[in-house]
Order: sequence, then structure tokens, then C-alpha cells
Amino acid sequence: DIQMTQSPSSLSASVGDRVTITCRASQSISSYLIWYQQKPGRAPKFLIYDATSLRSGAPSRFSGSGYGTDFTLTISSLQPEDFGTYYCQQSYSIPLTFGGGTKVEIK
Amino acid sequence: EVLLVESGGGLVQPGRSLRLSCAASGFTFADYAMHWVRQVPGRGLEWVSGINWNSDHTEYADSVKGRFTISRDNAKSSLYLQMNSLRPDDTALYYCAKSPTIFAVNIGRDWFDPWGQGTLVTVSS
Repeated sequence: DIQMTQSPSSLSASVGDRVTITCRASQSISSYLIWYQQKPGRAPKFLIYDATSLRSGAPSRFSGSGYGTDFTLTISSLQPEDFGTYYCQQSYSIPLTFGGGTKVEIK
Repeated sequence: EVLLVESGGGLVQPGRSLRLSCAASGFTFADYAMHWVRQVPGRGLEWVSGINWNSDHTEYADSVKGRFTISRDNAKSSLYLQMNSLRPDDTALYYCAKSPTIFAVNIGRDWFDPWGQGTLVTVSS
């Protein structure tokens, strides 16, 4: 199984800050990497697919980068509505696996 | 609007069975692979099982293989998860989720969009 490791597990940042979340795969997954955002009490919602492609309608302050084993989700200017937990998921092979999540809090 | 509505969750004793359902609307259900993903409240996400559009291909997480069976009825736009020999560590919120790719050939290259609201399964004596 491909293990996905996210860091940090949580962070607190101010509105307007640049926020970076990393995700590392235990083996190369090419660009088969998805990012989701989950708000409390809600189902996850995907943000980015194929490591770098932004979901239609998602704010442009979100961006993804990386290839192989190391990936990054960046929020260029954190907004109050960006609180929640972010998960990465590899779509390279079965079993489909997720990172442990990064909880983003607004200071 | 795509809508996925799960049902069938509840409190069940260890070793018993439960069948989850997911009613889909707002898209041509028969054209898309579907998945079940679970989440222990307050914890992370675990993919459970997937099925391709015409039921030719199913996959399971090792943790449920041999105990859970995924199926679908395209005529009823419905997805199912038959869960047998339930264990306390199966306790979770179970989400139904749609593949974003029409006629996906390989469900191992899949992700999930959108998700339902989830149905809670609690396995306890």
C-alpha cells in the first residue's frame, strides 16, 4: 500500500498569510494526487486533481505543485472561510489512500 | 445538481450485518464508478470499496475484504454496501462518493466528487 504522510498535522495562521501544506508518498505516484478540503460536520470537497489542476470554481488562491513523491498545497492569502482540514489522496493504485490531514485554524 | 443520499446506518452488535444504500440523482448514474469511503468521527479518511460503472470491476480495502460486498443497481440509480461480520473498528461515518470520470476504465486511478452526507455505523455490544 502507498502511505501518504502530511505535514504539519495542524497550523494556525492569520488572514492574509501564505500557508503551505505538504504531502509525501511512500513511493512515486507520478501526478496522481488529489487535495480535499473538509469543513466541520461536512463531507470533504475536492480542490485540486492531478497534483496541480484546480477544481472549476475554486478560488485561485489555492494551488498545488509536485510530482513523484513530494507535493504541496499552497493558499496564497489565507481567508476566514479557509478553515478546516485538508487531506491529500493518491489516485495511483488500489488501495486508494489518504494522508492524515492538516487542520487549518485562523488566528 | 448531483445528490448522493446514504441510508441504512445504525447501531449493530459485533458479528452482525448491515446494508448501506446510496441513492443518486442529478447525473447518469450508470456512467460513473462509485465508491464508499469511511471516517471515524474526528479522525482521517479511509477508502473502503469501489465499483466501476457496469459492475465488472470491484475493489476493496484489505480491512474489509471478504466481509463487505459492494454492488449497484443502475436501473435504480443506487449503490449498496453489504457489511457482514461487523467489528467495533468498523464504526465510522460511511460516505458514498462518485467518480468524476465518465466510464472510468481503472477505478484505481479514481478520486471522489462529490460525496454524500454520510451515514453513521456504530458497532458495539
